[in-house]
Amino acid sequence: GESVGLHLPTLSVQEGDNSIINCAYSNSASDYFIWYKQESGKGPQFIIDIRSNMDKRQGQRVTVLLNKTVKHLSLQIAATQPGDSAVYFCAEISNAGNMLTFGGGTRLMVKP
Amino acid sequence: GAGVSQSPSNKVTEKGKDVELRCDPISGHTALYWYRQSLGQGLEFLIYFQGNSAPDKSGLPSDRFSAERTGGSVSTLTIQRTQQEDSAVYLCASSLGGGDTEAFFGQGTRLTVV
Repeated sequence: GESVGLHLPTLSVQEGDNSIINCAYSNSASDYFIWYKQESGKGPQFIIDIRSNMDKRQGQRVTVLLNKTVKHLSLQIAATQPGDSAVYFCAEISNAGNMLTFGGGTRLMVKP
Repeated sequence: GAGVSQSPSNKVTEKGKDVELRCDPISGHTALYWYRQSLGQGLEFLIYFQGNSAPDKSGLPSDRFSAERTGGSVSTLTIQRTQQEDSAVYLCASSLGGGDTEAFFGQGTRLTVV
């Protein structure tokens, strides 16, 4: 079936560097995408979202890029900090059914 | 409260017993989701409620799992005759519904079957 997946299960970066977390999706009917951050022992928390009619959206230190041609989503974190260490999930909502489907997650480890 | 509330936060049960997990969504949210997360893994979809529509139960792993949502608000996930492989964190999320609204998660219930 169609699914959302990730290229890298673990990403280790140096504090202060930029991080890029990638996600590939296969459901071309999806029109809304969300990145969630999950810290240990907590539920996922919303970071940033993007609609399918956009290719880039910026937040505070975070940017989401959407490439519909290759069905690829990425999360860029600028000047990564120790507090950014967590598991990051991409999720999608299709334009049919409005159900939220998650990818497998990437663990980001920030080295001081 | 302001957020999604789940109870209990931790539950230890003996194999073969039934358990009920509760989710109080954000007031006014019409959409409610249940997910299961095993240690170090991703989120496995279980069930989705949207308003008065029939729930999407396609993610329930067996007929031992069931969920209800009473009055369009509180939801209960029931696991009958628990097995050790049911041990996981069960997460609930709610949203305003519609195709482009953010889902807010509770802290989860950690279920351990011994």
